Amino acid sequence: AQKVTQAQTEISVVEKEDVTLDCVYETRDTTYYLFWYKQPPSGELVFLIRRNSFDEQNEISGRYSWNFQKSTSSFNFTITASQVVDSAVYFCALSEATSGTYKYIFGTGTRLKVLA
Amino acid sequence: AAGVIQSPRHLIKEKRETATLKCYPIPRHDTVYWYQQGPGQDPQFLISFYEKMQSDKGSIPDRFSAQQFSDYHSELNMSSLELGDSALYFCASSQRTGAADTEAFFGQGTRLTVV
Repeated sequence: AQKVTQAQTEISVVEKEDVTLDCVYETRDTTYYLFWYKQPPSGELVFLIRRNSFDEQNEISGRYSWNFQKSTSSFNFTITASQVVDSAVYFCALSEATSGTYKYIFGTGTRLKVLA
Repeated sequence: AAGVIQSPRHLIKEKRETATLKCYPIPRHDTVYWYQQGPGQDPQFLISFYEKMQSDKGSIPDRFSAQQFSDYHSELNMSSLELGDSALYFCASSQRTGAADTEAFFGQGTRLTVV
C-alpha cells in the first residue's frame, strides 16, 4: 500500500541552524513521484520540488537541498541556515504512475518553527 | 504566471445547507484534483477529473459531488453540510504529458466553516 511517513511532528530551531525534515515512503510501483510542499500560516500549498523514481540525483536550490535514497525509501529535505520565514508546515507527498490519476498521498506534515 | 483560482476564499454555512466551491485551473491544464484538509491534518484526496471525465475517487462523502466543465473549470458541490465538513478545500491542476503528469499546482484553498 502507498504511504508517506513524516515522523517529526514539530521541529524548533534557532535561526541560522540547519534542519533536516525526514520523509519515508512506501509504494509497490516502480515508477512514482515524490514531492515536497510548504504550507505557511496563510494556508496555501507551495510547490518546492518534484522527483521521479528514476532520478536519485540529489538536488540543491539555494538554501534547500533534497536527498533521495531509494535503498531506504527516503526523500529528506534539508534547509541550510534557516530563517524565520521558513517557519511553516512541510508536507512530503507521493504519486504513483500506475494509479492512472497521479493523485497525491501526503504525509502528516512537519511543523517547522524557526526562532529569531 | 497564472495560477489556480479558487472561489470563494472563505465560506460560512449552517448545518444542512449546501455549498458550491469553484476551481479554475491553470490554462492548458487538463487535470483537476480536489483535496480536503481538516484542522491540523494533511490534505486528503477527494476526487479528480481528466478531460472532463472523473478519473479517480477518494474518500469523498456521498453528499458531495463534483464535475469538470467544458472550459476545464471544476465545481465541488456539498449538500447537507455537517460540522465535520469544516475544512480547507484545495483544488489543484496539472497537465497530462504522455505517461506522466506535471506536478500539481494548488490553489489558495477555500476555507469552509460550518456552524
